[in-house]
Amino acid sequence: GQSLEQPSEVTAVEGAIVQINCTYQTSGFYGLSWYQQHDGGAPTFLSYNALDGLEETGRFSSFLSRSDSYGYLLLQELQMKDSASYFCAVRDTGRRALTFGSGTRLQVQP
Amino acid sequence: EAGVAQSPRYKIIEKRQSVAFWCNPISGHATLYWYQQILGQGPKLLIQFQNNGVVDDSQLPKDRFSAERLKGVDSTLKIQPAKLEDSAVYLCASSSQTGAHGYTFGSGTRLTVV
Repeated sequence: GQSLEQPSEVTAVEGAIVQINCTYQTSGFYGLSWYQQHDGGAPTFLSYNALDGLEETGRFSSFLSRSDSYGYLLLQELQMKDSASYFCAVRDTGRRALTFGSGTRLQVQP
Repeated sequence: EAGVAQSPRYKIIEKRQSVAFWCNPISGHATLYWYQQILGQGPKLLIQFQNNGVVDDSQLPKDRFSAERLKGVDSTLKIQPAKLEDSAVYLCASSSQTGAHGYTFGSGTRLTVV
């Protein structure tokens, strides 16, 4: 089976930097993905890491360490609109669907 | 490009009743997923289709849930009979291929069973 652990809640202020961690256990590994979901909205794809290292997309970056079964999502220059839930997700085979973590609720305060 | 369409947006039913949800994926997307998201949790896969064939339905409670994708495009998910614990948001997603990591999700159907 697969399991993912991420903090349930994180609070930060506008303009700050926040890191959301994710550790996973899976029999096979085909990359770590991150999704954002606003209250009442659909999850939207943010980033994907297949190899070790940092991937940057604008204010968001995602990091993966396969040897540590660990990754994180880094959000810079936080804005109020970044208040949302963030999910990490993995798959254990190339064919199966993603398994999602329980999510981290980010609250950005003024 | 048009997104993933789902209907209805909200549904309230009594326990033991039946309900059906509809999903129209992004045009050309061969892979379609149904996820269940209980409040405060992450999405949990119910079933995955590749065209009109089932890839994975290992977590679908088959005694009460069924799903189909007859022509490899639209899909319906049915619950019969519903239980209180089925109260959740049912999300449909699609991707261009089975191994893709970037899914496009619909806005979901929020089901309340009373």
